[in-house]
Amino acid sequence: KNQVEQSPQSLIILEGKNCTLQCNYTVSPFSNLRWYKQDTGRGPVSLTIMTFSENTKSNGRYTATLDADTKQSSLHITASQLSDSASYICVVSAQTGTYKYIFGTGTRLKVLA
Amino acid sequence: KAGVTQTPRYLIKTRGQQVTLSCSPISGHRSVSWYQQTPGQGLQFLFEYFSETQRNKGNFPGRFSGRQFSNSRSEMNVSTLELGDSALYLCASSLGTFTDTQYFGPGTRLTVL
Repeated sequence: KNQVEQSPQSLIILEGKNCTLQCNYTVSPFSNLRWYKQDTGRGPVSLTIMTFSENTKSNGRYTATLDADTKQSSLHITASQLSDSASYICVVSAQTGTYKYIFGTGTRLKVLA
Repeated sequence: KAGVTQTPRYLIKTRGQQVTLSCSPISGHRSVSWYQQTPGQGLQFLFEYFSETQRNKGNFPGRFSGRQFSNSRSEMNVSTLELGDSALYLCASSLGTFTDTQYFGPGTRLTVL
């Protein structure tokens, strides 16, 4: 069964600290993996997209890694800011003729001053 | 460049009614995807349209339908509304390949009473 699991469910950190969010998936055949940031009451914003051959991709203070062998991805946030408080969602795509998007339930991050 | 717009932003309907939601993509984008987001199920993929054709479809009943016009604007229709259809409905547009960045609109909040 195609599944995407994210951990932790929620996380509280102090401003300026780093943190790492995890995404494990059992999706086949794998096509790509995306990380989104979603502020409360707003649509998600794309952070990174990685295909099978990519194992690291950065977007400013956000760095995503992908290990296609272990089917794991992580999102590392460096020097967190109050504006990083949001939900972070991992989405894995599978392509079997048609295209399927399997969403994780997200990690809710709160950054405190 | 204007972002993705969705109308209306908020909608209240009663069970059994039908509803039509509208999405205007970013200029030049040919793909529009629709998603449902609820607290219990998270984000779920409804369907995707590309050049006026439904290219991908998620696992939703036939009560959920959509279409895309020649100017890439898209509409989503839900017939015979149920209480469980209360959700945030998001649309996202992209240029059209499967690894393109998707840009989300702010969503339409549908409440079914």
